[in-house]
Amino acid sequence: DSGVTQTPKHLITATGQRVTLRCSPRSGDLSVYWYQQSLDQGLQFLIQYYNGEERAKGNILERFSAQQFPDLHSELNLSSLELGDSALYFCASSPRAGVGELFFGEGSRLTVL
Amino acid sequence: KNEVEQSPQNLTAQEGEFITINCSYSVGISALHWLQQHPGGGIVSLFMLSSGKKKHGRLIATINIQEKHSSLHITASHPRDSAVYICAVNAGGTSYGKLTFGQGTILTVHP
Repeated sequence: DSGVTQTPKHLITATGQRVTLRCSPRSGDLSVYWYQQSLDQGLQFLIQYYNGEERAKGNILERFSAQQFPDLHSELNLSSLELGDSALYFCASSPRAGVGELFFGEGSRLTVL
Repeated sequence: KNEVEQSPQNLTAQEGEFITINCSYSVGISALHWLQQHPGGGIVSLFMLSSGKKKHGRLIATINIQEKHSSLHITASHPRDSAVYICAVNAGGTSYGKLTFGQGTILTVHP
């Protein structure tokens, strides 16, 4: 158990809909990272938050947004969903803003029909 | 060409064999990570290294910064080592949080 909690574990929705994925980092970790893993693109970094502030941004679509709340949990919002958004979405946390060991959640599997 | 390349893409071994998975990268890095992903999806961080060699149990990871190359070795492999092994790098510079991933190596160890 990494100590990182992601909900929901599975989510099935329709095109055009909006979903929110939630991540609770390990106790004491200030950084939260979001990654997308799809069959065709593999693992891709989406975005990092550190202590409530956006720290680094990757290949995150404009339809996607994220935030980190004062209690350090983070939410990834996916809107106007398309079939191609079907993927595993992982959250990871680490104590630091910079380079450090990552602790991954179990992932949220999103299926868009 | 991907910034992070792993080889082989698929690897089959018999229990007890010594296994090596390679990772080459083309960018300057501040650190390299080896990750393990089991069927069912969960990802575990095995190593983070920026120089030299690290060992944890039967796993050994090495990195050669000059050659931009890292290897993950598994000694005395076991069927429970069957998983996808993923190499990922933190690029140097300001985007410390951004990881660039290799495509993964699927390892199957037969009893």
